[in-house]
Amino acid sequence: QSALTQPASVSGSPGQSITISCTGTSSDVGGYKYVSWHQQHPGKAPKLMLYDVSNRPSGVPNRFSGSKSGNTASLTISGLQAEDEADYFCSSYTSSSTWVFGGGTKLTVL
Amino acid sequence: QVQLVESGGGVVQPGRSLRLSCAASGFTFSSYGFHWVRQAPGKGLEWVAVIWSDGSRKYYADSVKGRFTISRDDSKNALYLQMNSLRAQDTAVYYCATDGDVLTASKFYCHSWGQGTLVTVSS
Repeated sequence: QSALTQPASVSGSPGQSITISCTGTSSDVGGYKYVSWHQQHPGKAPKLMLYDVSNRPSGVPNRFSGSKSGNTASLTISGLQAEDEADYFCSSYTSSSTWVFGGGTKLTVL
Repeated sequence: QVQLVESGGGVVQPGRSLRLSCAASGFTFSSYGFHWVRQAPGKGLEWVAVIWSDGSRKYYADSVKGRFTISRDDSKNALYLQMNSLRAQDTAVYYCATDGDVLTASKFYCHSWGQGTLVTVSS
């Protein structure tokens, strides 16, 4: 149950686009569509942003999009806004019927 | 709307036990599976356990297997996490979360999250 690999930090200016990668193995990210992304502001609970790789729950802006290629999933945020500054975590179902999270990526909006 | 409220956290000595609760409202509790996820201070999220909607299956992270037990009481709309043989490494904020969304027939992800309860294991 090794954690999925995410960059520790990314940054971008307002209006720009950024992409956060999430790399696992064929036993998790590469093997299933069950990849989700969660946003967490300091001191707050996580919030679901994407599920099933690219589906947005109700209320999440369409600036947030997701994709997957092989063992790597990606979250793209376009038209960056100040309120997007937060930690982002990917998660995947695994072949052991367990779940695994990524180490998290701190997004800084410059 | 969906509301999940965790309770039961606190300071406990190593080797002792603690039971966390998660009170749910605003949705049909019995239709959902649930996860426990924890976050050590300043660290990332770590998945802990899951229970199926009918309670028939439970799975655990290796780090807690044999020490923690997830359970549910549909009559009380409540989820529990019994934590035994606690260690300093179990210190974290513990979140409960629903699995998937019945309305979209989606599953196998943490959909709605509670606010968390802090467990501190220290002598």
